[in-house]
Amino acid sequence: DVKVTQSSRYLVKRTGEKVFLECVQDMDHENMFWYRQDPGLGLRLIYFSYDVKMKEKGDIPEGYSVSREKKERFSLILESASTNQTSMYLCASSFHRDTGELFFGEGSRLTVL
Amino acid sequence: GENVEQHPSTLSVQEGDSAVIKCTYSDSASNYFPWYKQELGKGPQLIIDIRSNVGEKKDQRIAVTLNKTAKHFSLHITETQPEDSAVYFCAGPGPSSARQLTFGSGTQLTVLP
Repeated sequence: DVKVTQSSRYLVKRTGEKVFLECVQDMDHENMFWYRQDPGLGLRLIYFSYDVKMKEKGDIPEGYSVSREKKERFSLILESASTNQTSMYLCASSFHRDTGELFFGEGSRLTVL
Repeated sequence: GENVEQHPSTLSVQEGDSAVIKCTYSDSASNYFPWYKQELGKGPQLIIDIRSNVGEKKDQRIAVTLNKTAKHFSLHITETQPEDSAVYFCAGPGPSSARQLTFGSGTQLTVLP
C-alpha cells in the first residue's frame, strides 16, 4: 500500500520560531509537493521538487523554504513562523511530473501563536 | 481572478439523489482534469480524472464531463450514499510559471440519510 507520511499531525509554535515539517514517501516517486490548505481557498502549492536537491517555487513560496536531500524525504521549513502561517499543510508525491495522480499525506495542522 | 473556480461551496442532498459539482477554468493549454475527495482527518485522494481527448468518463457511480469549448468540467455522483459525504476538489491548469495543477476551493458534500 502506497504511503506518504507526515511526521507531525498537530504542532503549536510561537511567532518567530523555526518550524520543520517532514514528509516521507515509500513509492520511489521523483516528484514531491507541499501544499497549504485553508477554508475557502482550496489547496495552494508552496514548493515542489522533481529530483534530489532540486526545488521550484509554487504559487505561494514567500515565508517558506524546502529541503530535498534524499529522494524519499521532502521537508518544509518556516524560518520565522508568523500567525498568518497557521494552516493545514499537505505533502504529496507523484510518479508523473505535471499530470497524473498525487498521493497525499494526512496533513500537519500548524498553529502559530 | 482564480484560475479554477468551483461551485457550489456546500451541497446537501438526500441519500439516493444525485450530486453535481462544477468547475470552470481560464487556461486552455491543459489536457488533464482530476477530482479529489477528502474525508475528515485525511488527505485528498484521487477519485476520477479526465483528459481532453474525451468528453466523459464514468466509474461506477461517479462520472466526469468536460467541455473544452466552454472551459468547464463537472463531477456527477449518482445514487449518493452517506459515505460520499466529504470535501471534493477539482483541479485544472495552473499559473504558467509553475506548470502545476491549480485546485478549486472545494465543495463540502453532505448526504443526508
